[in-house]
Amino acid sequence: GAGVSQSPSNKVTEKGKDVELRCDPISGHTALYWYRQSLGQGLEFLIYFQGNSAPDKSGLPSDRFSAERTGGSVSTLTIQRTQQEDSAVYLCASTSGSYNSPLHFGNGTRLTVT
Amino acid sequence: RKEVEQDPGPFNVPEGATVAFNCTYSNSASQSFFWYRQDCRKEPKLLMSVYSSGNEDGRFTAQLNRASQYISLLIRDSKLSDSATYLCVVRGGRRALTFGSGTRLQVQP
Repeated sequence: GAGVSQSPSNKVTEKGKDVELRCDPISGHTALYWYRQSLGQGLEFLIYFQGNSAPDKSGLPSDRFSAERTGGSVSTLTIQRTQQEDSAVYLCASTSGSYNSPLHFGNGTRLTVT
Repeated sequence: RKEVEQDPGPFNVPEGATVAFNCTYSNSASQSFFWYRQDCRKEPKLLMSVYSSGNEDGRFTAQLNRASQYISLLIRDSKLSDSATYLCVVRGGRRALTFGSGTRLQVQP
C-alpha cells in the first residue's frame, strides 16, 4: 500500500528565500510528526499533529518555521527567510495514534540553503 | 535529564558476535516501545515493537524492564548488514512519541 510521501525529495534554495515542504501521510493516520536531521546527528522533533487537537509546536526552532495540516491529512512545513543552518533532511512520519502503532516515515526532503 | 537516553557508541563488533544495546526512559507512564534502524542518509525504519513479555524476531530480541525503565535490543550472530544506527522510541509523555539519539553499530569482517 501507499506509504508516507514527501515532496520535493531535494530542494536547493538561496539564503533568505521561503520554502514549503509537503507531507502526505498514510491514509487514515491521525497523527503526523515533522522531524529534522542534520548530517550525523539524531532526529530533532519539530511539530506534532494529532487529530483535531492543537498541534504541539514546542520543537519549532524559531518563528521562521510554521506548519499546518489541512483536513487532517496533508501537511506543509514552511520555512521563511531560510538560513544556512536550516540545511538538513526534513522527515515526516505518521501513525494511527493507537498506543501500539509505530511511526511510518517518508523518505525525507533534503534541504540545502546556499 | 533526557526523556529517552541511549549510548551513542559506536559499538564495533566482529561478524558473528552478539551485541546488546540499552535505552533508558524517564516517564514511568510510558505505554509502548519500539526499536528503529536507520541506515546512513536514509529514513528510520521500524525494526520491532517491544512487548512487556519480551519478543524475538529471528536474530533480534527485545526486552522491556518497567521497574528499571529501560528497554534492550540483543542482536545475535551479527552480520555486516546489521551495521546501522539503532534508535529506541518511547510512546507516552507530552509529545506522545520520543526518539533516543541512537546507538551506532559497526559490524566488522
